[in-house]
Amino acid sequence: QSALTQPPSASGSPGQSVTISCTGTSSDVGLYNFVSWYQQYPGKAPKLMIYDVTKRPSGVPDRFSGSKSGNTASLIVSGLQAEDEADYYCSSFAGGNTIVFGGGTKLTVL
Amino acid sequence: QVQLQESGPGLLRPSETLSLICDVSGYSIGTAYQWSWIRQSPGRGLEWIGSVYRNTLIYYNPSLKSRVTISADASKNQFSLNLRYVTAADTAVYFCARTEWNPDFWGQGILVTVTS
Repeated sequence: QSALTQPPSASGSPGQSVTISCTGTSSDVGLYNFVSWYQQYPGKAPKLMIYDVTKRPSGVPDRFSGSKSGNTASLIVSGLQAEDEADYYCSSFAGGNTIVFGGGTKLTVL
Repeated sequence: QVQLQESGPGLLRPSETLSLICDVSGYSIGTAYQWSWIRQSPGRGLEWIGSVYRNTLIYYNPSLKSRVTISADASKNQFSLNLRYVTAADTAVYFCARTEWNPDFWGQGILVTVTS
């Protein structure tokens, strides 16, 4: 069970769009449509932003969206705002009732 | 609204056993969902430790399975984590979380430090 691969950092200017990738394998991301994305501020618990690849929980701005192609899932943040500066993590169901996380991406709003 | 709260010792010596409890309110843990333990250390990011479902079905991360025990107490609406023979590498913030296919509601986390 290997961790999912995320870029360590990403950045964009206010109003721009940023895409964060999450690459797994044909045993996790590629096999199941159960990928979630979390936003985490320092010292806080992760907050669910996207689940089941594309779904948004109530209260999450529609600027946040998700997609998947093959073994790679993506989080797209449109219309970047200063408050979006945070760490973002992906997770995937990996079969056998196990879960695997990505290493995290630090999003900087320039 | 589901709420989860971790509790337990924050400081351990090497070779001791880490014991944490997660108190759940707003949902009965025996009804549905898996209930998970997850940890986060600076060098290793988020790591799923294991989950319990319907109080009796338990699933572990293969890398930790030999040292971990997760259990649930439906009468108290809480579930627990025991991690044996801890080392400095087990120093982390430990979270409990409600889980469907992935975690949705998380506790605030508790920092556990292992030091001699």
